[in-house]
Amino acid sequence: GQNIDQPTEMTATEGAIVQINCTYQTSGFNGLFWYQQHAGEAPTFLSYNVLDGLEEKGRFSSFLSRSKGYSYLLLKELQMKDSASYLCAVVDSNYQLIWGAGTKLIIKP
Amino acid sequence: DGGITQSPKYLFRKEGQNVTLSCEQNLNHDAMYWYRQDPGQGLRLIYYSQIVNDFQKGDIAEGYSVSREKKESFPLTVTSAQKNPTAFYLCASSASESSYNEQFFGPGTRLTVL
Repeated sequence: GQNIDQPTEMTATEGAIVQINCTYQTSGFNGLFWYQQHAGEAPTFLSYNVLDGLEEKGRFSSFLSRSKGYSYLLLKELQMKDSASYLCAVVDSNYQLIWGAGTKLIIKP
Repeated sequence: DGGITQSPKYLFRKEGQNVTLSCEQNLNHDAMYWYRQDPGQGLRLIYYSQIVNDFQKGDIAEGYSVSREKKESFPLTVTSAQKNPTAFYLCASSASESSYNEQFFGPGTRLTVL
């Protein structure tokens, strides 16, 4: 079966750095997305990785290792507004998105 | 401004009633999707459509129905056959079904069945 694993919840301090991991086992791989979702709102796009390596975009970076079935989202200089759920999603061989359950990130002052 | 709209944001229905959730997009996207989100779970695909007048079942289509008569619109009907309809429903669209399949989401409809 297809499976995506993320930690359920993480806590970090304002101004710090946090890494949210995602491991996947899917039928085929055509890329991996990270989305941010604030409570009760729609997910919004953060990043897309299809090749191995690190993609940096401002305070957020995303890393992919296809051989390990592993990705992480790195958030630097954390702000209170970064409190949200972070969803990992993999595009499978049928070009369908397989979603993880999301990681709820709690930022403390 | 281009985007996706869903209405209403909150919807209450009595058990046994059918209810239709609207989804409209003006992004000129070909593909549209309906997801259900329950607490502590990932998004689960209900139905998707790649082109007008065509749609496919997702992982949890039982108890739901859709139509795609116009490119801009993809309404979802939650029927009385859906055993546990209370959930947060998200509509999304993408330019096409390709590897770079970034999906844009509407604000969601929270359905509560009493």
